Amino acid sequence: ETGVTQSPTHLIKTRGQQVTLRCSSQSGHNTVSWYQQALGQGPQFIFQYYREEENGRGNFPPRFSGLQFPNYSSELNVNALELDDSALYLCASSLLGRGVVGYTFGSGTRLTVV
Amino acid sequence: DAKTTQPPSMDCAEGRAANLPCNHSTISGNEYVYWYRQIHSQGPQYIIHGLKNNETNEMASLIITEDRKSSTLILPHATLRDTAVYYCIVNQAGTALIFGKGTTLSVSS
Repeated sequence: ETGVTQSPTHLIKTRGQQVTLRCSSQSGHNTVSWYQQALGQGPQFIFQYYREEENGRGNFPPRFSGLQFPNYSSELNVNALELDDSALYLCASSLLGRGVVGYTFGSGTRLTVV
Repeated sequence: DAKTTQPPSMDCAEGRAANLPCNHSTISGNEYVYWYRQIHSQGPQYIIHGLKNNETNEMASLIITEDRKSSTLILPHATLRDTAVYYCIVNQAGTALIFGKGTTLSVSS
């Protein structure tokens, strides 16, 4: 059973640029969520995808967008990067519809905006 | 906002039981109690969840009070590797996890 893998592990971008982060869900999972974790804080929910449709969104602006693909992999796109976007970005997958299960998290992508 | 309240930090001696409390007085009937932990620089790790009955797995035990307004996560024999931030979360199955600040558990020898 493979876990959740994220790429890249670290990334440095300049303010105003755009970035794409990638996530491969755990095998058999149909739901993927993205979280932003600033230093010293708990993870903050960005959005969730179920069967390629967004089915929940946190308090993040539209410049944060995402995609889920038929193979349940996912992307997080952030446009017009700001310095405050510097954080650890976490992807989590789960299986909806087959009882209650927990989310499996990846190790995250550390994004630094300069 | 998180619907749970946890102490910011706790200490535990290696080999002893670690009992981590959580208050969730506004929990709804269809909401579960989940526990996750996050070891430094890693993604959160699922530990256990429950609805109203006590639960046990290979990692921990979860004790939920009869009124469901509080719970306790028990690590029966804490090791140094259990040093982490522990998050108690209540939510409906399949919905977003809303993390609070969690409890930083420090296990020492």
